[in-house]
Amino acid sequence: KNQVEQSPQSLIILEGKNCTLQCNYTVSPFSNLRWYKQDTGRGPVSLTIMTFSENTKSNGRYTATLDADTKQSSLHITASQLSDSASYICVVTPSWGYQKVTFGIGTKLQVIP
Amino acid sequence: DAGITQSPRYKITETGRQVTLMCHQTWSHSYMFWYRQDLGHGLRLIYYSAAADITDKGEVPDGYVVSRSKTENFPLTLESATRSQTSVYFCASSEGGTTSRNTEAFFGQGTRLTVV
Repeated sequence: KNQVEQSPQSLIILEGKNCTLQCNYTVSPFSNLRWYKQDTGRGPVSLTIMTFSENTKSNGRYTATLDADTKQSSLHITASQLSDSASYICVVTPSWGYQKVTFGIGTKLQVIP
Repeated sequence: DAGITQSPRYKITETGRQVTLMCHQTWSHSYMFWYRQDLGHGLRLIYYSAAADITDKGEVPDGYVVSRSKTENFPLTLESATRSQTSVYFCASSEGGTTSRNTEAFFGQGTRLTVV
């Protein structure tokens, strides 16, 4: 079982709408949790990073939240744009070793006009 | 150009052949990584390197060899390619290690490898 589970697997929304992507993890203790955006045919690009003591982090229209007690994180996208169409990957880095960084499978978001 | 570049972008090879994927970064980052990305799996770490001449295995190292004689280069070699190694390979680099906030990994554009 993957230690980082993301939901939904895929999502289609209308341009201008908001959406929230979920990430549940079991990695513990962890150093940080990141959200990456991966456009089709490209490498992932970091959107936000949070340590276990932080519970929210924003990057423009992207806002990530973290609940370390329930081991859940979410990525909220406000006023979606066509360019938001991509996969969004949750990544958890454990405290004990970078070799154990765990990537979620990702949520594939499609924004349609 | 500054950044991290991979070559080739696409490669088709035959089973049993040796193939090398190249990765070059211009930031002088200490850490470099190779991942593979397959449908139904998150990115999985193959090998990583904390500095020149220091490499270590990741989650799925079997069938792969790496070297790092220079800080900026981190080639990945498939010694005898198998169909199960058909995948998209990503190289990444970062400044810091696990406990550092500078653990953002900057990824290359990927190499799509097909083994026939």
